[in-house]
Order: sequence, then structure tokens, then C-alpha cells
Amino acid sequence: RKEVEQDPGPFNVPEGATVAFNCTYSNSASQSFFWYRQDCRKEPKLLMSVYSSGNEDGRFTAQLNRASQYISLLIRDSKLSDSATYLCVVRRGSTLGRLYFGRGTQLTVWP
Amino acid sequence: EAGVTQFPSHSVIEKGQTVTLRCDPISGHDNLYWYRRVMGKEIKFLLHFVKESKQDESGMPNNRFLAERTGGTYSTLKVQPAELEDSGVYFCASSPQVPLDFSYNEQFFGPGTRLTVL
Repeated sequence: RKEVEQDPGPFNVPEGATVAFNCTYSNSASQSFFWYRQDCRKEPKLLMSVYSSGNEDGRFTAQLNRASQYISLLIRDSKLSDSATYLCVVRRGSTLGRLYFGRGTQLTVWP
Repeated sequence: EAGVTQFPSHSVIEKGQTVTLRCDPISGHDNLYWYRRVMGKEIKFLLHFVKESKQDESGMPNNRFLAERTGGTYSTLKVQPAELEDSGVYFCASSPQVPLDFSYNEQFFGPGTRLTVL
């Protein structure tokens, strides 16, 4: 069983739309949770960390449900520049440990 | 501040040849990680250095892969001999040893080396 499972997508939405991505993780020892963004042929970049109480950064809202081992990312008022692959990432235990990635969900925002 | 850099950006070699990838982490970052993405699969961990020591090399696929980090600065990843299934994008990441936020220490990724084995 994969460590992190994500909606495969692709998601194609118009500008201004709201889109939600889901992710589940299999290991209950996971301690840290992130959403990374990866543009085509570029490196992954941290979009936001996901906190237990949920957190928001502008148009982006992340939620964590530890009981269900479920993570979500909501993007409101989508922009063309939001087009990218969104990677769900978890880490067990140590803050310096390896990251476990989902395969990513591709988002295309069209005008 | 310069980010993580990797060299080369692309490498095309024939099966059986040797290739060496290089990673320069962000200055002052003691932690250096190698990851790989094979086409169609998720990014997977290969190994983790703390300074010059291998902290975790459980993700290395086999003994054809050799990673070093002499002096605790840059790192090299050598594949010898290369096989077709080694094709993919190899990412390096680094993070500081003393995280500002203990729970959410960020790993900063380099642009990757795209390796093609023919």
C-alpha cells in the first residue's frame, strides 16, 4: 500500500473556480504534513504546511483529519498561475526525516 | 541567498556507462537529501546526509548507486553501471540542522537532474 494516495486528476477549471484536492496517508506515525507545488519540469516548492487545526494562506486552505488520515487543499478564486501539479507530502517522526510524496494532482486553470 | 543547485541539468548515457550527479545545498544546511522520480511514479527518497555522515540510506535501490558528501558540503551520486530503469529525475534537497519550527522544517529542493539511460 502506498504511503500517500492522491486524487490523480487532472482537474481542469475556469478562472475564479473553487477546487479541492484530497489525500490520504497510510502510516499513523506521520507527524508533519505539507502541500508542495510543482510546475512543469521544475522542482517541488513548499506551498504550505498543514496544521492539526487547519490553516489558511490567502486563497489556500488546508485541512487535516488525523482520525481518518486525510488531508485536503482548497483553492478559492483560481488563477491561471495556479496551474501546476500539487503534491501531498507527509513525514514521520523526526523533523529531519525523509518525505513521502503522493503522485500529485495536476491542475489546469483556463481563462 | 542561492538555492540548491544541481549539475548537470540533463544527462543522456548508454546502459552500462557511469554517471555522476552533483548537488550543492544551501550554504549552512547540514541536511542533504536525494530523491528520485521515475516516470509515472511518485517522488521517492533515496538517502539523507547529516553533514558528511549517512543518516538514512534505506531508499537506495541497489549497490550500483553510491552517494558521498565529503567535507559535509556538496554531494555526489554516482550510478555505475547505469541501467534502463535508472532513468528519471534526481532531486536534491537540503534543510537546516536547527529548524526554526520544530514540526515543520522545510526541505528546499534543487531543480533536478534529468537522467536518460538508453
